[in-house]
Amino acid sequence: SQQGEEDPQALSIQEGENATMNCSYKTSINNLQWYRQNSGRGLVHLILIRSNEREKHSGRLRVTLDTSKKSSSLLITASRAADTASYFCATAAFSGAGSYQLTFGKGTKLSVIP
Amino acid sequence: KAGVTQTPRYLIKTRGQQVTLSCSPISGHRSVSWYQQTPGQGLQFLFEYFSETQRNKGNFPGRFSGRQFSNSRSEMNVSTLELGDSALYLCASSLVSGEETQYFGPGTRLLVL
Repeated sequence: SQQGEEDPQALSIQEGENATMNCSYKTSINNLQWYRQNSGRGLVHLILIRSNEREKHSGRLRVTLDTSKKSSSLLITASRAADTASYFCATAAFSGAGSYQLTFGKGTKLSVIP
Repeated sequence: KAGVTQTPRYLIKTRGQQVTLSCSPISGHRSVSWYQQTPGQGLQFLFEYFSETQRNKGNFPGRFSGRQFSNSRSEMNVSTLELGDSALYLCASSLVSGEETQYFGPGTRLLVL
């Protein structure tokens, strides 16, 4: 079952604009991660934010986490055509089987128009 | 360091057959997880292996199985293939735990006819 739900499902912007994607989840988490996937390929890790953190930056990426609202957002500033991809949030939660499990949302498909 | 590798990259099988997919994690990584990705269900967790033991399992039927070898390489097997098993199968590795950053391989695209 999906834990994270991304919003919007698809987003189309002009190059140079900012892109914001949101993720909501249902249960307590240890951390939340964002991944990028270019068409039909493997996922690439972008950023990890722990449950005791509120905001994190990495280059043009800014991630926020609100555990009281069980939501996160990913902001990509000054977008480029190369940012065109699907973006997934993944929540890490204790599985009860002695380890943690990463559960992915269905993703946001971002198109950056040159 | 070399990344996660998966073989084969593409596979076509017919219903009822079985298939084995292979994954070689990044050197030094001991946790290997498998995911199934389909347009309808998205990315779904199959299982995680650590030190040759299955540590975690997703909600998939027993036709899906896996194993991990002493060098951390992992294989997954799907028996009695069904049309609905057509998907991109992704393997990911991490140092120790399934909660850490996952490093994904390019995937194996399986088509069941």
